[in-house]
Amino acid sequence: SQQGEEDPQALSIQEGENATMNCSYKTSINNLQWYRQNSGRGLVHLILIRSNEREKHSGRLRVTLDTSKKSSSLLITASRAADTASYFCATASGNTPLVFGKGTRLSVIA
Amino acid sequence: DTGVSQNPRHKITKRGQNVTFRCDPISEHNRLYWYRQTLGQGPEFLTYFQNEAQLEKSRLLSDRFSAERPKGSFSTLEIQRTEQGDSAMYLCASSLMGEGNEQFFGPGTRLTVL
Repeated sequence: SQQGEEDPQALSIQEGENATMNCSYKTSINNLQWYRQNSGRGLVHLILIRSNEREKHSGRLRVTLDTSKKSSSLLITASRAADTASYFCATASGNTPLVFGKGTRLSVIA
Repeated sequence: DTGVSQNPRHKITKRGQNVTFRCDPISEHNRLYWYRQTLGQGPEFLTYFQNEAQLEKSRLLSDRFSAERPKGSFSTLEIQRTEQGDSAMYLCASSLMGEGNEQFFGPGTRLTVL
């Protein structure tokens, strides 16, 4: 079963706009990670936020984590056509394997 | 290229045949994971190794599935008597223990069972 649930399932925006994706999870975590997957390819790690962190930035990416609400958001600013991909959140708890959500499919239209 | 590699990239087989996939992790990574991903879904955990020891297996891993990592380096995933429901992308990932479990993924092997 999958713990993370991304919202929305699909998102279509114009190039230059910001894209926000949300992730909710069910159990306590050590950290939460976001991955990107281009069509038919493997996953690429984007950013990791620990349970004691509230916000983290990496380039055009901004991730927030609210452990009281068991939710996280990924913001991509000034989107580009190359950002078109599926984005997954994954939760890590202790030594258990990562648990992925179903992903958000982002389309950035040039 | 020092990333995770997987072979073959694509495999088409007939129902009932056996298939074997290989994963070569990043050389210094001691953990290796196998996931399965179907269309429109996120990766689902199958099994993982720490060095050569298989530490956990998912309920998804039926008796027809077996994975090995004999020398703590590359790993193989074998599916016996394939079924159409086995059609999926099989992803391998590796990580260093204790590094927040940040995983590095290979490109995957897409299996189609006819």
